[in-house]
Amino acid sequence: SAVISQKPSRDICQRGTSLTIQCQVDSQVTMMFWYRQQPGQSLTLIATANQGSEATYESGFVIDKFPISRPNLTFSTLTVSNMSPEDSSIYLCSGGYEETQYFGPGTRLLVL
Amino acid sequence: GESVGLHLPTLSVQEGDNSIINCAYSNSASDYFIWYKQESGKGPQFIIDIRSNMDKRQGQRVTVLLNKTVKHLSLQIAATQPGDSAVYFCAEAKGDSSYKLIFGSGTRLLVRP
Repeated sequence: SAVISQKPSRDICQRGTSLTIQCQVDSQVTMMFWYRQQPGQSLTLIATANQGSEATYESGFVIDKFPISRPNLTFSTLTVSNMSPEDSSIYLCSGGYEETQYFGPGTRLLVL
Repeated sequence: GESVGLHLPTLSVQEGDNSIINCAYSNSASDYFIWYKQESGKGPQFIIDIRSNMDKRQGQRVTVLLNKTVKHLSLQIAATQPGDSAVYFCAEAKGDSSYKLIFGSGTRLLVRP
């Protein structure tokens, strides 16, 4: 298994600003992903964080809005850029070995 | 697009009874399935997984059943406890090298004392 931590756990931000979320895994994992989850809803995949190269984004998500870095096998960041109230959500990082993924506790973001 | 739940069905069970949570998956090519438990304010927690070459897999108090003919997955929890109250998600992997998971809409389990 893998233990995932995220920082910050929550934040309240003003519209137009950006927030960077950090994800740390306690072991070297092959795969890392970023998800968004609206309260009471399921998880939506934002992108696959690729080590040392550009992330692979899902339909509806673009690099300019959600730049992602993954400099090594244990760490990744997601930036939510130029935020609007519609970006208020829970952002989750996962890491694992092939399809078996373990999740962090999430970052609860409120944009005013 | 990917599966996104707009309404969470709820299963209410008496403490000590068995619970069965069902999930219909979308892709007949999916070859790997996971059940997650998500408690309020926390991230999803891995419960059990199963590959498509199996029909059943058992863990501690949990059993996952896979019916590929009708693309159906179920999670059985034996002797349900108050600590089992949470939202349960099934997820499927497409069977390609992307290793991406597609999540179901989720079921809320409420355990009555």
